Amino acid sequence: KAGVTQTPRYLIKTRGQQVTLSCSPISGHRSVSWYQQTPGQGLQFLFEYFSETQRNKGNFPGRFSGRQFSNSRSEMNVSTLELGDSALYLCASMKGGTEGYTFGSGTRLTVV
Amino acid sequence: EDQVTQSPEALRLQEGESSSLNCSYTVSGLRGLFWYRQDPGKGPEFLFTLYSAGEEKEKERLKATLTKKESFLHITAPKPEDSATYLCAVEAGGGNKLTFGTGTQLKVEL
Repeated sequence: KAGVTQTPRYLIKTRGQQVTLSCSPISGHRSVSWYQQTPGQGLQFLFEYFSETQRNKGNFPGRFSGRQFSNSRSEMNVSTLELGDSALYLCASMKGGTEGYTFGSGTRLTVV
Repeated sequence: EDQVTQSPEALRLQEGESSSLNCSYTVSGLRGLFWYRQDPGKGPEFLFTLYSAGEEKEKERLKATLTKKESFLHITAPKPEDSATYLCAVEAGGGNKLTFGTGTQLKVEL
């Protein structure tokens, strides 16, 4: 079955710009969550969406936002990019119950 | 606040040399402990979920165990293809949110 698809795979942006990343979950999975991975901080939770509603939010500034559409696809947006936002952004989807989370391959964002 | 600590940070083994990775956790209301494998430039790959103390799960050369304070990932007779970063994460309280440890970078040499 198809996995979690994230686009684009790589992105280079300039400080001050904004960026939108996309995630298509596994068919039938209604929960989509986003994580930031950096060498210094590891994997950190950004937010989680379920049925188009944000259910949880991590400790990130308001420049980081997201949304989920009726087909469960999700986008995250980062405005006013800073150099420190350079990271691998990972999306994970989950069906619910006792199933684990399935991660996508991520979007590598570089801010210059 | 949920905390997950993994040790060692890095581990180098010879092919066939068994060892264990440790994940200690402090959470309120553990709902599940997850082990993932991550290869460079890729997303984490799910290995196991453990739910209660005493539970064990196996997959090929890997075996995960859980106590009330920590989890171990035992690697028996590892091969070079087992080289990767192994991540431990916990889900606690309400909501679908994982708190990750910083991982153990494993290298298995011939």
